[in-house]
Amino acid sequence: DAKTTQPNSMESNEEEPVHLPCNHSTISGTDYIHWYRQLPSQGPEYVIHGLTSNVNNRMASLAIAEDRKSSTLILHRATLRDAAVYYCILPPQAGTALIFGKGTTLSVSS
Amino acid sequence: EPEVTQTPSHQVTQMGQEVILRCVPISNHLYFYWYRQILGQKVEFLVSFYNNEISEKSEIFDDQFSVERPDGSNFTLKIRSTKLEDSAMYFCASSEWGQGPANEKLFFGSGTQLSVL
Repeated sequence: DAKTTQPNSMESNEEEPVHLPCNHSTISGTDYIHWYRQLPSQGPEYVIHGLTSNVNNRMASLAIAEDRKSSTLILHRATLRDAAVYYCILPPQAGTALIFGKGTTLSVSS
Repeated sequence: EPEVTQTPSHQVTQMGQEVILRCVPISNHLYFYWYRQILGQKVEFLVSFYNNEISEKSEIFDDQFSVERPDGSNFTLKIRSTKLEDSAMYFCASSEWGQGPANEKLFFGSGTQLSVL
């Protein structure tokens, strides 16, 4: 299974962009890159996912390196509500469960 | 927006008792999951369920655990004889397409906090 590496924690100021990195050097050609987040006292929440091209949605952008060995989740303007644990996950294959690591704990200051 | 609903939000039980945690997945979803999170630790996968049978389970999901979809809407997790170490937040999740999470998103409920005394 492809492994991911994320920093344990990051800090940001409100209304500034946040770039959350994820390394996945053993990724295979068919592995999708998923990002979830977990707000305090809540269940995980889907953020975004992609395969090769950069992806945008209303929550965030996902920038995928050309060699796909790393990706970056971009929050364009952090808010206090974005303080959460962010998980970068590569599902092993279709039909298998998401396995959560420790993720990156993002703190946002006003 | 549709959501996964879990009941109860909190459950307190005595060690050795049976508990049933209930979930109502999103109505057109085909894949169902249970995860748990012990306080301060990672979210851990327990089991996935598709087409009325378990499709995958982790080492945590031993004979004390069972899942069921008793009707067209509910998805339940039963723990037959609870232990102190079963105390955790239990999350139910569902996904739409039935092809697994490689190219689809999971929707999680807000969890049931199980406390075993």
